[in-house]
Amino acid sequence: QSVLTQAPSASGTPGQRVTISCSGSSSNIGSNVINWYQRLPGAAPKLLIYGNDQRPSGVPDRLSGSKSGTSASLAISGLQSEDEAEYFCATWDDSLNAWVFGGGTKLTVL
Amino acid sequence: QITLKESGPTLVKPTQTLTLTCTFSGFSLSIPGDVVGWIRQPPGQALEWLAVIYWHDDKRYNPSLNNRLTITKDSSKGQVVLTMTNMDPVDTATYFCAHMTWGYSGYDRYWYFDVWGRGTLVTVSS
Repeated sequence: QSVLTQAPSASGTPGQRVTISCSGSSSNIGSNVINWYQRLPGAAPKLLIYGNDQRPSGVPDRLSGSKSGTSASLAISGLQSEDEAEYFCATWDDSLNAWVFGGGTKLTVL
Repeated sequence: QITLKESGPTLVKPTQTLTLTCTFSGFSLSIPGDVVGWIRQPPGQALEWLAVIYWHDDKRYNPSLNNRLTITKDSSKGQVVLTMTNMDPVDTATYFCAHMTWGYSGYDRYWYFDVWGRGTLVTVSS
């Protein structure tokens, strides 16, 4: 069982906006920044969002991140078929003294 | 451009020691700010952080696995090595290495994994 909770699946149609959520506690999301990654089968995880809402160069602005209290969200607007992948969140946990991850959300583009 | 690649055995027997190597390029791990970590993902389960090593050779381990892990670096070879003792079938997982960098939130510095390797699958079975 993951320290950070994510819904196992999400879906949307091309052009739609979808939101993927990550829920934690005061010792992790509540007191540290959240990062988001995309993982395609057989590929290295790719950083999408760091520091709650910062995009690395090359990540399109239709992807955005936000955080409120002990929860965080990744929003993808203008959904494209290439967005079909697994998405997971990550942050530091002050109580566990460890990096912790969400279980991942598999996004399907219908 | 930063790249990392994991290598090591694909199959180990229970009680054996696993040795994995992360070969990297695009940074030196001897310059302030460079950090490399290991993370694993058992089949169908969430990612689990294992260890990190800093440019000044400081090391941090996941407390739940602390006494089984050792992380070392050879900056001249561009390699980081992770050893895990007393392997068990529950340690079957894809093992990733990743580069870590830092950012600022206000005046607070934070660290995050920015570039990952593709991972290597290690199966523990007799």
